[in-house]
Amino acid sequence: QSALTQPASVSGSPGQSITISCSGTSSDVGSFDYVSWYQQTPGKAPKLIFYDVFKGTSAVSDRLSASKSGNTAYLTISGLQTEDEADYYCCSYAGGGAYVFGTGTQVTVL
Amino acid sequence: EQVVESGGGVVQPGSSLRLTCVGSGFTFNSFDMNWVRQAPGKGLEWVAVISHDRKISNYADSVKGRFTVSRDNSKRALFLQMSSLRHEDTAVYYCVKPGRPGSARGSWFDPWGLGTLVTVTS
Repeated sequence: QSALTQPASVSGSPGQSITISCSGTSSDVGSFDYVSWYQQTPGKAPKLIFYDVFKGTSAVSDRLSASKSGNTAYLTISGLQTEDEADYYCCSYAGGGAYVFGTGTQVTVL
Repeated sequence: EQVVESGGGVVQPGSSLRLTCVGSGFTFNSFDMNWVRQAPGKGLEWVAVISHDRKISNYADSVKGRFTVSRDNSKRALFLQMSSLRHEDTAVYYCVKPGRPGSARGSWFDPWGLGTLVTVTS
């Protein structure tokens, strides 16, 4: 049950695109199309933004997208805006009712 | 849909504490329910799950043998009995509902409650 690996921080200038990787194993990300992504701002509970790998919630901006290839999932933010500053976490189903979260990525807009 | 956690507090190492979560706005007895925690300044950690019918539960290795998850569907309540608490159990504990009912497939977590803070300190 090792945490999925994410970069600790990613930054970009307004308008740029960034991608956050979420590296797992063949026992979690690689085995199931049940990857979700959460956005968390300071002092708040996490908020779901993507589920089932690439399905965005109704509240998520279309500047954000998610995908998966092999054992790694990705979250891409295009046209970076100050409102995108937050911590982002991936999560994968790991079988047997268990889940594993990513280590988290802090996004900074320069 | 809403979940509300309660029961957190400040306890000493080795002690016990019971967390409660009450769900509303959804068919509580159709959904497996989970606990997720977040230590101060740290990332999210999945803790435990109990199936909708109480038949199956599973735990993170870090809490296995010390924590017990249970539920009372008649009260729409989820519980987490924590024993032999350690400093590293200090965290905000979130009750989370999966987006998909039943236990056949994986899911996502939505909504999240505000969480309840457990502080283990001597």
